[in-house]
Amino acid sequence: EEQLVESGGDLVKPGGSLRLSCVASGFTFSNVWMSWVRQAPGKRLEWVGRIQGKSDGGAAENPAPVKGRFSISRDDSHNTLYLQMNNLKIDDTGVYYCAAEGYPYGFHSMGVWGQGTTVTVSS
Amino acid sequence: QSALTQPPSASGSLGQSVTISCTGTSSDVGKYNYVSWYQQHPGKAPKLMIYAVSMRPSGVPVRFSGSKSGNTASLTVSGLQAEDEADYYCSSYSASRNLVFGGGTKLTVL
Repeated sequence: EEQLVESGGDLVKPGGSLRLSCVASGFTFSNVWMSWVRQAPGKRLEWVGRIQGKSDGGAAENPAPVKGRFSISRDDSHNTLYLQMNNLKIDDTGVYYCAAEGYPYGFHSMGVWGQGTTVTVSS
Repeated sequence: QSALTQPPSASGSLGQSVTISCTGTSSDVGKYNYVSWYQQHPGKAPKLMIYAVSMRPSGVPVRFSGSKSGNTASLTVSGLQAEDEADYYCSSYSASRNLVFGGGTKLTVL
């Protein structure tokens, strides 16, 4: 069974850093594009970036709201995805999900999701 | 990144049909057939219900269907069941290579 399990969420002060992890199982992780999606309390889903699969070059990209603060990496030998978050702001508070983008269905759809990990940014 | 526009709420009686709209621009919904729909129950992770505008993943009931016209995509749920009550989000790939989500629609089954 395909599964994603996130960890690393915590309470952190504004300006602090945090690294989230997402361990994959049940599918060939290295070739799958992976995304991070967050959801502030009571708010909509928001895409915060992706990393391509190994066979497509492995490039990472982030949208403007988090560019320069968030970075995505992967360790294919350990089937693990990471989200490094620096200079955290109160608005970064929320549940962070990792998801398989373009797998197992169409391009840019997310067919496998983790259960989420909670990040709270507060002084 | 601007969100796609969805109605905040929708409702229908058991057994009836309801359609949720998702309006974007010519740079996202209107440009690509990469529109997806997700169902999210309270406290749970989203679940893919529709991909590539109108395709249903394995295991999703046939009463869920999707379509697109111009810059607006739609999700129709036919024969509403109590378990369909949830939040629904659309998403689209965009020309900026970003994925953009809608604001979400809370579906109530009366």
